[in-house]
Amino acid sequence: DQQVKQNSPSLSVQEGRISILNCDYTNSMFDYFLWYKKYPAEGPTFLISISSIKDKNEDGRFTVFLNKSAKHLSLHIVPSQPGDSAVYFCAASPPGSARQLTFGSGTQLTVLP
Amino acid sequence: NAGVTQTPKFQVLKTGQSMTLQCAQDMNHNSMYWYRQDPGMGLRLIYYSASEGTTDKGEVPNGYNVSRLNKREFSLRLESAAPSQTSVYFCASSERLAGVREQYFGPGTRLTVT
Repeated sequence: DQQVKQNSPSLSVQEGRISILNCDYTNSMFDYFLWYKKYPAEGPTFLISISSIKDKNEDGRFTVFLNKSAKHLSLHIVPSQPGDSAVYFCAASPPGSARQLTFGSGTQLTVLP
Repeated sequence: NAGVTQTPKFQVLKTGQSMTLQCAQDMNHNSMYWYRQDPGMGLRLIYYSASEGTTDKGEVPNGYNVSRLNKREFSLRLESAAPSQTSVYFCASSERLAGVREQYFGPGTRLTVT
């Protein structure tokens, strides 16, 4: 039973346009959400996060939105650049000291020049 | 700072062989983690160590053992490798400060069991 779901395995976007990546979760205990970016043959790198007490967090071209009632979060990238082409993983964490993360299956973003 | 380092980068094992994957971090993080990544399944937690001296099972611990050697190092051992353990293995670490949840990952070890 996947507690964190990314239903779109892939997404293609034109350079300069907005990329929207979506993520749904089922566990209401999750109170912290993160997005990671992964290039081939490298480990995931942390991109942006949001606490459940907020509904939006922005960092440069990246914005994460959280809709707790729908158990849904999304990552917006504006404007998209070819270097953004990577696999994006959504992750969620419950409260507690172990900092465990549950990951979604990832979305391959391709930004076309 | 090297961050999180993993050795080896690649390994091929025959069924039944054993091996240890090494992980070290130089960020003075308290918590360390081992994940495996399989196609279409994201990253799944194998074992974690919330702090030096403690280890706990994650989502998929069967067939693995871990050792938190010291604050810097966290190793993953396969005692008798099986083809189902063919995967990419990632080690990660994180701090235990309030409000900090992000983990920092190593480059991965690609393991093939034939």
